[in-house]
Amino acid sequence: GAVVSQHPSWVICKSGTSVKIECRSLDFQATTMFWYRQFPKQSLMLMATSNEGSKATYEQGVEKDKFLINHASLTLSTLTVTSAHPEDSSFYICSAPPTGAGYTFGSGTRLTVV
Amino acid sequence: AQSVAQPEDQVNVAEGNPLTVKCTYSVSGNPYLFWYVQYPNRGLQFLLKYITGDNLVKGSYGFEAEFNKSQTSFHLKKPSALVSDSALYFCAVRPDNNDMRFGAGTRLTVKP
Repeated sequence: GAVVSQHPSWVICKSGTSVKIECRSLDFQATTMFWYRQFPKQSLMLMATSNEGSKATYEQGVEKDKFLINHASLTLSTLTVTSAHPEDSSFYICSAPPTGAGYTFGSGTRLTVV
Repeated sequence: AQSVAQPEDQVNVAEGNPLTVKCTYSVSGNPYLFWYVQYPNRGLQFLLKYITGDNLVKGSYGFEAEFNKSQTSFHLKKPSALVSDSALYFCAVRPDNNDMRFGAGTRLTVKP
């Protein structure tokens, strides 16, 4: 079945540094990738939608300069958290719509900024 | 507005008892409805989905959900709960515009 591989699964970084999270569709082409953020004990919040070959679409309130999204190819989308701060610590998950009505989710990345 | 609601933050059941996790939705058109489960520090795992057809959908790990159009509900059920079912459950709806919306999540705790 369709698989989305997300790396890293967890990362700890110092405040002020940047962190890149990758999501790869392993056996299908993903022209679209959704990026979500989850706060503890809360639901997922859609941050942005990346589209291969064009600029990402950001949800209201999400800083595009802080959360850089690049959809370099039909199998790779990346989220870079720039100048990370402790309040950026969260669980980030990507998802791609494969063929059919379902969605495929990455395994998630736990970001801790210290 | 397209939305999905999970009215219960927490559900507690005893092992072996039936469980229900509630979900209601508000979308235009015919929705696609999903249930996902999330274990600690893990990504979401797909449980089941409703697209069209039989209102009772059977999914992974013995879970099932019933689509009720008149009540705009899609409650998740299992006849006999296991301690290992303890996790966070998300209901999600995908309206026609292809953007999935999630409920706030319900924490299920199954006690031995």
